Amino acid sequence: GQQVMQIPQYQHVQEGEDFTTYCNSSTTLSNIQWYKQRPGGHPVFLIQLVKSGEVKKQKRLTFQFGEAKKNSSLHITATQTTDVGTYFCAVRPGDRGSTLGRLYFGRGTQLTVWP
Amino acid sequence: GAGVSQSPSNKVTEKGKDVELRCDPISGHTALYWYRQSLGQGLEFLIYFQGNSAPDKSGLPSDRFSAERTGGSVSTLTIQRTQQEDSAVYLCASLGASGNEQFFGPGTRLTVL
Repeated sequence: GQQVMQIPQYQHVQEGEDFTTYCNSSTTLSNIQWYKQRPGGHPVFLIQLVKSGEVKKQKRLTFQFGEAKKNSSLHITATQTTDVGTYFCAVRPGDRGSTLGRLYFGRGTQLTVWP
Repeated sequence: GAGVSQSPSNKVTEKGKDVELRCDPISGHTALYWYRQSLGQGLEFLIYFQGNSAPDKSGLPSDRFSAERTGGSVSTLTIQRTQQEDSAVYLCASLGASGNEQFFGPGTRLTVL
């Protein structure tokens, strides 16, 4: 079955430091999505990447999709306390750009930011 | 409605009892997912409904778990003869036609005593 590895599992940073979480798949992906879950909350969609080598930015967040469409990263520049939460990647296997079907979630990276 | 709703928000039950969890997806969303999340853990896929197609039940952990979706809208997840290991937050999500994002409900926190 589909394997999704997400590292690190935990990350503790001082406010202002950068943070990166990585997502790796054993198979080629149709697309990859990133979600954020605040403590006590539910996952909220951040972004979807579809194209090989794609890079998207949302303010201090930078998302990359690998050239081989098997890995992705989320980088936060100059973390703030509002960035606290768990970041999940979610993947769809395949190579046809399907937007349907099951999403496979990584185990998440739990980010703690010290003020 | 404005978003995905789930009920009840909290459910405490005794071991061996049956429970029903409800999900109201966003109107018009054709796909609906159920996940389970234990404390501090990731999202465990349970079941996926897409339109009138047969659901993908591959994530259901045992035959005590079942789900249905009536009229392509509301879904009910039923757990029979609950066990303590069933304690978790059960999340429902719906997906619009664009397929760009899953909209999650607030979840039902199930506690089996």
